[in-house]
Amino acid sequence: NAGVTQTPKFRVLKTGQSMTLLCAQDMNHEYMYWYRQDPGMGLRLIHYSVGEGTTAKGEVPDGYNVSRLKKQNFLLGLESAAPSQTSVYFCASSAGTSGGRGELFFGEGSRLTVL
Amino acid sequence: GNSVTQMEGPVTLSEEAFLTINCTYTATGYPSLFWYVQYPGEGLQLLLKATKADDKGSNKGFEATYRKETTSFHLEKGSVQVSDSAVYFCALSDGGSEKLVFGKGMKLTVNP
Repeated sequence: NAGVTQTPKFRVLKTGQSMTLLCAQDMNHEYMYWYRQDPGMGLRLIHYSVGEGTTAKGEVPDGYNVSRLKKQNFLLGLESAAPSQTSVYFCASSAGTSGGRGELFFGEGSRLTVL
Repeated sequence: GNSVTQMEGPVTLSEEAFLTINCTYTATGYPSLFWYVQYPGEGLQLLLKATKADDKGSNKGFEATYRKETTSFHLEKGSVQVSDSAVYFCALSDGGSEKLVFGKGMKLTVNP
């Protein structure tokens, strides 16, 4: 089973460049999320989506945009990369059943370095 | 808002040692509580969960009990193995949302 797949896995950007991270899930999950993981900070929610065509801001949304045009895909965009966006990015999905079951399925992460 | 505070480590133990990782939370309402584990080079995966007070979650020899009176969800394992070396995250979700709030994570290294 593929589960949650993120591309690319590694990327180096220069300040001011743009890029898009792609997340794809094959579990027919309603909810999808983008987190960033930084040393000493744990995981922080950037944006999330509760269904196709919807997006919402998380804890640290500034400098990022997202789109959910298809249920299985969730794209994270950086329009003008900054060194502060150097991080490991994780995509996750969940079934979105009621009651906050909270079982998220994570991709393997995308390591982004902004010089 | 909701938050999770956990031991940050890093912690190094010898194989077969006893493990406790403390986790306390602040939340309104009745959150569900989780422990996630991240093995080297991988994404996070659910280790165990508890959805109401006094529930005990368990998996792979790990267990944690939802203590509402002390707002805690400490993770324990009686005898750790080298294969338990990983980063452990405590997390919570509120009753009506699938969004999780994570603690900062604790890196555990188990030596043979």
